[in-house]
Amino acid sequence: QVQLVESGGGVVQPGRSLRLSCAASGFTFSSYGMHWVRQAPGKGLEWVAVIWYDGSNKYYADSVKGRFTISRDNSKNTLYLQMNSLRAEDTAVYYCARDRSVGATLDAFDIWGQGTMVTVSS
Amino acid sequence: VIWMTQSPSLLSASTGDRVTISCRMSQGISSYLAWYQQKPGKAPELLIYAASTLQSGVPSRFSGSGSGTDFTLTISCLQSEDFATYYCQQYYSFPWTFGQGTKVEIK
Repeated sequence: QVQLVESGGGVVQPGRSLRLSCAASGFTFSSYGMHWVRQAPGKGLEWVAVIWYDGSNKYYADSVKGRFTISRDNSKNTLYLQMNSLRAEDTAVYYCARDRSVGATLDAFDIWGQGTMVTVSS
Repeated sequence: VIWMTQSPSLLSASTGDRVTISCRMSQGISSYLAWYQQKPGKAPELLIYAASTLQSGVPSRFSGSGSGTDFTLTISCLQSEDFATYYCQQYYSFPWTFGQGTKVEIK
């Protein structure tokens, strides 16, 4: 069964850090690009970051550039999002999502996790 | 940044209706467009990619069309399970961007 399971969310004070994880199963994780997408309460979807299947390339939304770092451990089938200098506006449900295409061709997101909530508040 | 205008933001319809949702880009994106459905408290699900290709397992009453700057999602005969929020998304250039969403509610 193809599955993504996020963890690591919680309540954190502004300026602090948090690391999210996304455990993949049921497919060859090392063959797919992976993304983080977030959704603030009652709002729409916002793409956050992408990492190539082999970790060779990474891109970020301007809103998180310089504060967030996407990474992966293909030996553990796990995707990460290190979030530093958190702000109130980072409060959202964070989803990991799989790119539909194998390899370096980026595509739509065909598999999503259930999401993990991050609340930034003092 | 490619800006997306999705309309309408709210659509009231009845079971059996044919509904269309529009997504307009600030610049051409060829066919690098996807449509997602999201129900409350759930993750989005991919419906259509490459503007008009139906994702495996998605009912054939869903269809997509368009290329360049103007795209449409059509639900030919609305079912009760289709009441949800729909998003378009471009994956032509970074940053990937989503439309603002269209909530399809029961009239």
